Amino acid sequence: RKEVEQDPGPFNVPEGATVAFNCTYSNSASQSFFWYRQDCRKEPKLLMSVYSSGNEDGRFTAQLNRASQYISLLIRDSKLSDSATYLCVVLMDSNYQLIWGAGTKLIIKP
Amino acid sequence: DAGITQSPRHKVTETGTPVTLRCHQTENHRYMYWYRQDPGHGLRLIHYSYGVKDTDKGEVSDGYSVSRSKTEDFLLTLESATSSQTSVYFCAISEGDSSGLYEQYFGPGTRLTVT
Repeated sequence: RKEVEQDPGPFNVPEGATVAFNCTYSNSASQSFFWYRQDCRKEPKLLMSVYSSGNEDGRFTAQLNRASQYISLLIRDSKLSDSATYLCVVLMDSNYQLIWGAGTKLIIKP
Repeated sequence: DAGITQSPRHKVTETGTPVTLRCHQTENHRYMYWYRQDPGHGLRLIHYSYGVKDTDKGEVSDGYSVSRSKTEDFLLTLESATSSQTSVYFCAISEGDSSGLYEQYFGPGTRLTVT
């Protein structure tokens, strides 16, 4: 089992819709989690950190469910510019290294 | 955007030749990382550095070496390139555990093709 798993998608979503995707992780001791966004042929960019209480940044909401060992990302009122691959990242407390999911591809259609 | 550059941005090389990729930062961050990204895989850590001359292996370090002689520069060397090392290579930086900030910021990547 991979340490961090994501549905590769693609998720095809109409503009203006709400979309959510999850990421599961295997190490129950992990404490820090992140969502990154990666545009085609570009570098990953930090979207948001996910702490115990979850957090919200504009149209984006990230939640952490420790009991079920997953984090989620919700995007409201999706824009064409939200089309990208979203990478889930987990910090390993044992060595402070980041473990990366393979990403979920999101396509927003007009 | 974080001040991170990578060079070269694209390279085609032949099997068996040595290749060096350079990462340069202007943020004075302590930690620097080299990753490779391949289809169907998450980013995989090759090597990382936690200070000048302080480096350690990551998940996929075989066939790669690194050096960090200055805070701002982190070099990745493929000692004898193989076709399996065809990939996109990303450099990243972070402030690290000295400040409790583990978020990483990435350079634009180097596309390497080994023929």
